Amino acid sequence: DQQVKQNSPSLSVQEGRISILNCDYTNSMFDYFLWYKKYPAEGPTFLISISSIKDKNEDGRFTVFLNKSAKHLSLHIVPSQPGDSAVYFCAASASDYGQNFVFGPGTRLSVLP
Amino acid sequence: DTGVSQNPRHKITKRGQNVTFRCDPISEHNRLYWYRQTLGQGPEFLTYFQNEAQLEKSRLLSDRFSAERPKGSFSTLEIQRTEQGDSAMYLCASSLRTGGWETQYFGPGTRLLVL
Repeated sequence: DQQVKQNSPSLSVQEGRISILNCDYTNSMFDYFLWYKKYPAEGPTFLISISSIKDKNEDGRFTVFLNKSAKHLSLHIVPSQPGDSAVYFCAASASDYGQNFVFGPGTRLSVLP
Repeated sequence: DTGVSQNPRHKITKRGQNVTFRCDPISEHNRLYWYRQTLGQGPEFLTYFQNEAQLEKSRLLSDRFSAERPKGSFSTLEIQRTEQGDSAMYLCASSLRTGGWETQYFGPGTRLLVL
């Protein structure tokens, strides 16, 4: 039973265009969401987060949107760069139910020059 | 370098052997987590410590797995009588809990292959 889903295993985007990565969750108790980026042979690197009291958080080229009613969040990267090519994981936690994060299976983003 | 470090980076062992991994968290972080990641999946939570206390363990953590954080600094994860199904990337993360939400910072992982 996957509580955090990333239904697109892979995504290809042209350099300079927008990349949109999607994530859906089922547990309504989740109130904090994060995106991590992972290169091969490295651990996940924190990218951006959003709490349930917000519907948008922006950091440079990265913006995360949260739609609580749809239990959906998305990560927008504008403009996409070849160095953004990596696997992106969505993670969620519920502050009232322990501290471990639940991760999605990841989406592999390829930014083509 | 003040990031999370893990040793060894790679471990190959034969089925039935014991292995031990070490994690050194970011120095001021009071929480330390262990995750396991297999191919095509996201990291799966195993256990976490706040200072030296182990506060939560996943059902994934069988009796063959044990983790310690004796002085609230580094942590070790031991797997006894390894099985081929234990082959995975073992990730350590640390965070600073100050109330509210926290962000976990990951180490590079230890890749285990059980033959």
